[in-house]
Amino acid sequence: DVKVTQSSRYLVKRTGEKVFLECVQDMDHENMFWYRQDPGLGLRLIYFSYDVKMKEKGDIPEGYSVSREKKERFSLILESASTNQTSMYLCASATTGSNTEAFFGQGTRLTVV
Amino acid sequence: AQSVTQPDIHITVSEGASLELRCNYSYGATPYLFWYVQSPGQGLQLLLKYFSGDTLVQGIKGFEAEFKRSQSSFNLRKPSVHWSDAAEYFCAVGAPHGNQFYFGTGTSLTVIP
Repeated sequence: DVKVTQSSRYLVKRTGEKVFLECVQDMDHENMFWYRQDPGLGLRLIYFSYDVKMKEKGDIPEGYSVSREKKERFSLILESASTNQTSMYLCASATTGSNTEAFFGQGTRLTVV
Repeated sequence: AQSVTQPDIHITVSEGASLELRCNYSYGATPYLFWYVQSPGQGLQLLLKYFSGDTLVQGIKGFEAEFKRSQSSFNLRKPSVHWSDAAEYFCAVGAPHGNQFYFGTGTSLTVIP
């Protein structure tokens, strides 16, 4: 089974802190994604990566950056956390090719105080 | 532009009753379609997917969905709902090469005894 693992289930950070959310997948997938989930808004794409060191902005990249130094790991960085970044963050991965689906991690619930 | 619409924000059904969750999509090419389920505090789990072929697809946990191209719909159904089906359900459309997934805003399902 594909496994996508997010390093933390719950995080509490202070305003202004630099925050790292880590995601690792074990199926050699080329594509990796970071989504933010808020009530009534569904999943919104922050960034995705289609290869090592490659990234594309999603719908809501402001206030975030990403890093993909190795194929299996995709990190989301909040440069200076703010209270409006309190949310559920979901990482996903997918292979490149036809008939592919997204596999999700268990999510990180981030609270910025 | 690609989009997914789930018109029902919240649905309540009695245990044992039938269920239909609606999903409409807008996509420029042949869509890859998905239904995911999310239990509280968890990541998303794939229920079923449609890539091509038979327009009625079977998934896990007794769910099925029907692709209707003329209506741009991919509605999820279950003939008899169990209390454990209470969760959030997301419809999604995907690009052919696994590098883009678009999600609806979700439908929250409550099951009453």
